[in-house]
Amino acid sequence: NAGVMQNPRHLVRRRGQEARLRCSPMKGHSHVYWYRQLPEEGLKFMVYLQKENIIDESGMPKERFSAEFPKEGPSILRIQQVVRGDSAAYFCASSPIWQGNTEAFFGQGTRLTVV
Amino acid sequence: TQLLEQSPQFLSIQEGENLTVYCNSSSVFSSLQWYRQEPGEGPVLLVTVVTGGEVKKLKRLTFQFGDARKDSSLHITAAQPGDTGLYLCAGAPAGGTSYGKLTFGQGTILTVHP
Repeated sequence: NAGVMQNPRHLVRRRGQEARLRCSPMKGHSHVYWYRQLPEEGLKFMVYLQKENIIDESGMPKERFSAEFPKEGPSILRIQQVVRGDSAAYFCASSPIWQGNTEAFFGQGTRLTVV
Repeated sequence: TQLLEQSPQFLSIQEGENLTVYCNSSSVFSSLQWYRQEPGEGPVLLVTVVTGGEVKKLKRLTFQFGDARKDSSLHITAAQPGDTGLYLCAGAPAGGTSYGKLTFGQGTILTVHP
């Protein structure tokens, strides 16, 4: 039973380039969450998606960041025109339909370095 | 905005000692999850507590959820070097539209020396 798969594990981008981070949820999970972990900080919620729907994007920066979870394929977190401050570990988690005691499982993360 | 205060931030102990990590909030959570994260890896779920006053044991680890579901603790008995890592608590919101938008504590970096 494969876990949450994220790729790439490591991504290096020059300032101004685009970063695309992919997340395939666990089998049977229809809910995807993206979190960001800055150095020396805890994980911060970014966005919550279901298939073809963004449910809560209250943690997403207003500009340059977008996320999608298409009907087919992985969820994508896209960062346009990256800046040094975007360097962080980005984690995806998935869960089945949430019922209060549901558990969320995390992928291994994508470590983005902007040079 | 819900906040989870986790303490201590750093803990350095000798093998065989006991320790407790705390997570406190003024907000009520529907459930609280404890994760352990190794360097370069994602958080791995250790346990979920749901009911106020609930106590769960996982070998040498004991997890407690406060009666009011606002706080939790993780107690490790006879710590071993293999317990070294980052421990994170995370709360799922209570009330309203329920989904897994977790609020994380800042984490506790535990180092157990042989």
